[in-house]
Amino acid sequence: AQKITQTQPGMFVQEKEAVTLDCTYDTSDQSYGLFWYKQPSSGEMIFLIYQGSYDEQNATEGRYSLNFQKARKSANLVISASQLGDSAMYFCAMRDYNQGGKLIFGQGTELSVKP
Amino acid sequence: DAGVIQSPRHEVTEMGQEVTLRCKPISGHDYLFWYRQTMMRGLELLIYFNNNVPIDDSGMPEDRFSAKMPNASFSTLKIQPSEPRDSAVYFCASVQGNIYNEQFFGPGTRLTVL
Repeated sequence: AQKITQTQPGMFVQEKEAVTLDCTYDTSDQSYGLFWYKQPSSGEMIFLIYQGSYDEQNATEGRYSLNFQKARKSANLVISASQLGDSAMYFCAMRDYNQGGKLIFGQGTELSVKP
Repeated sequence: DAGVIQSPRHEVTEMGQEVTLRCKPISGHDYLFWYRQTMMRGLELLIYFNNNVPIDDSGMPEDRFSAKMPNASFSTLKIQPSEPRDSAVYFCASVQGNIYNEQFFGPGTRLTVL
């Protein structure tokens, strides 16, 4: 069965520094997509970045980049130049084409940015 | 675009009562997903529709839960009878076409069952 693991329940980072949030996944399928979502204290789910299993280059979106290591089945999120507004829960998720496209979420990492 | 709309945003009810949560997906999106978020279990997919047809309801916890999508612009998630363990935030999300595309989430409905 597909599974997403986020091993860091909570992380602290100093403002303006970079931080890496870990995500590992488990699937036997070749075709899948990996997503990161941000959930601030207000509760909404905000899409950050996407990486397809066949994409050879790591995805980047502004200050967000995804460190995709397929052989290790990891898809870590890197946030550069952290801002106070980055304080939130971050969820890694996987969509498996063979499972009809539903998202499977990790347990999340709570990031706190210190001034 | 108004985004995914959910109502109500907050619902407080007593055990045994019927609860109906509503969702309006983004116009033109042909997939709709219902998720539940709790501290203990995180985010779980309950059911999803494609072109108004339920495709996978394996995440629906029990028969007390039911979901419908009578047309492309409206879906409901009903709990009857509700129980305190149903207290959670329920999210609706929609996506267009390619299932690899980003899912757009609604603001969620925070349900409290007393």
